[in-house]
Amino acid sequence: GAVVSQHPSWVICKSGTSVKIECRSLDFQATTMFWYRQFPKQSLMLMATSNEGSKATYEQGVEKDKFLINHASLTLSTLTVTSAHPEDSSFYICSAGLGNGNTIYFGEGSWLTVV
Amino acid sequence: SQQGEEDPQALSIQEGENATMNCSYKTSINNLQWYRQNSGRGLVHLILIRSNEREKHSGRLRVTLDTSKKSSSLLITASRAADTASYFCATSRGDSSYKLIFGSGTRLLVRP
Repeated sequence: GAVVSQHPSWVICKSGTSVKIECRSLDFQATTMFWYRQFPKQSLMLMATSNEGSKATYEQGVEKDKFLINHASLTLSTLTVTSAHPEDSSFYICSAGLGNGNTIYFGEGSWLTVV
Repeated sequence: SQQGEEDPQALSIQEGENATMNCSYKTSINNLQWYRQNSGRGLVHLILIRSNEREKHSGRLRVTLDTSKKSSSLLITASRAADTASYFCATSRGDSSYKLIFGSGTRLLVRP
């Protein structure tokens, strides 16, 4: 079945550095992918819609210059957390729609810890 | 933005009992979905109910949807310790069926 893969599963980075998280649709093409952030014991908050070949659409309150999203191909979207700070430590998870209007696949998520 | 609220925030029950979680949302929707998340892991899709449906079953799961009250409930019957997880409702709206807004979630603990 269709799968969305995220990499890395977990990453530790130093404060001030940038880190990239990849989201791949393994056997289907996704013109749109979505990025969510989840702090411990909280719900998932939609950060942005990643659009293949065009700029991402960010939700209110999400800094587009800090969370860079690139969707250069129909199977890959990347989220780069720039100048990371400890408060950016969180669980980041992506999703992609299969194209039938209903089926959504989520990646396994990526734990980011900024020290 | 977070659209839905869920209650209870936390629920602790004995194995074998039924667990009911409620979700309320604010705007019109295309459909409503329920997801399960084990601690620190990804999401598992449980069930989708369309806006023109009122009830849906899947195994031990029963979902209801009341669009007039903008609310949904998830019932897990004959709970098992393995059902221990967080449960989230999520809604999609007209602009994109794939763009989900999640509720605040219910943490379910099933005691063996």
